[in-house]
Amino acid sequence: DADVTQTPRNRITKTGKRIMLECSQTKGHDRMYWYRQDPGLGLRLIYYSFDVKDINKGEISDGYSVSRQAQAKFSLSLESAIPNQTALYFCATRDSNNSPLHFGNGTRLTVT
Amino acid sequence: AQSVSQHNHHVILSEAASLELGCNYSYGGTVNLFWYVQYPGQHLQLLLKYFSGDPLVKGIKGFEAEFIKSKFSFNLRKPSVQWSDTAEYFCAVNARSSGSARQLTFGSGTQLTVLP
Repeated sequence: DADVTQTPRNRITKTGKRIMLECSQTKGHDRMYWYRQDPGLGLRLIYYSFDVKDINKGEISDGYSVSRQAQAKFSLSLESAIPNQTALYFCATRDSNNSPLHFGNGTRLTVT
Repeated sequence: AQSVSQHNHHVILSEAASLELGCNYSYGGTVNLFWYVQYPGQHLQLLLKYFSGDPLVKGIKGFEAEFIKSKFSFNLRKPSVQWSDTAEYFCAVNARSSGSARQLTFGSGTQLTVLP
């Protein structure tokens, strides 16, 4: 979905490094989400935000932080990357609690 | 809290076979239900959704799903699969009115492989 853009698409980093994944959207949605996808585990919610002053932890927030710089931008940071954070990360948006999510193309992160 | 179970982890079918993928959720209240598809190397795309009304919902590409409230199920079906349906399929649930309404919870996914 070109309306939700994630950068970078791929990233390889070393253990202990700080890394930021960025997400921007042109859909005008208030709600933004970060998920990670691991084989056999589906998508698990890391953090979500309903506006720039509303940040909420998901089920696996440890080791991550987020920043909602504007309605259209929601960044995910790994403070000190570790190998088990190697995964595919998706940003998503929606306009209400009862709407489907619109996903970005994902960021494949490898921590060596 | 809501949870979603997809018991079939990998399904292999031949073209033209019929498909049914199971999805069960645990939440006692009213829910919204979704099926997403992820083609190889791509992001998740919405196949269909159920909010209310007719429990049999039709989605894109000939897929349909039936909501059976008494069984807490929302199984995905397609009468005749094609090779291009090879993908991973995710069921998701969103409670309507609770703290969990803010979150969409996904199942672990079912990988469908269709043999030509």
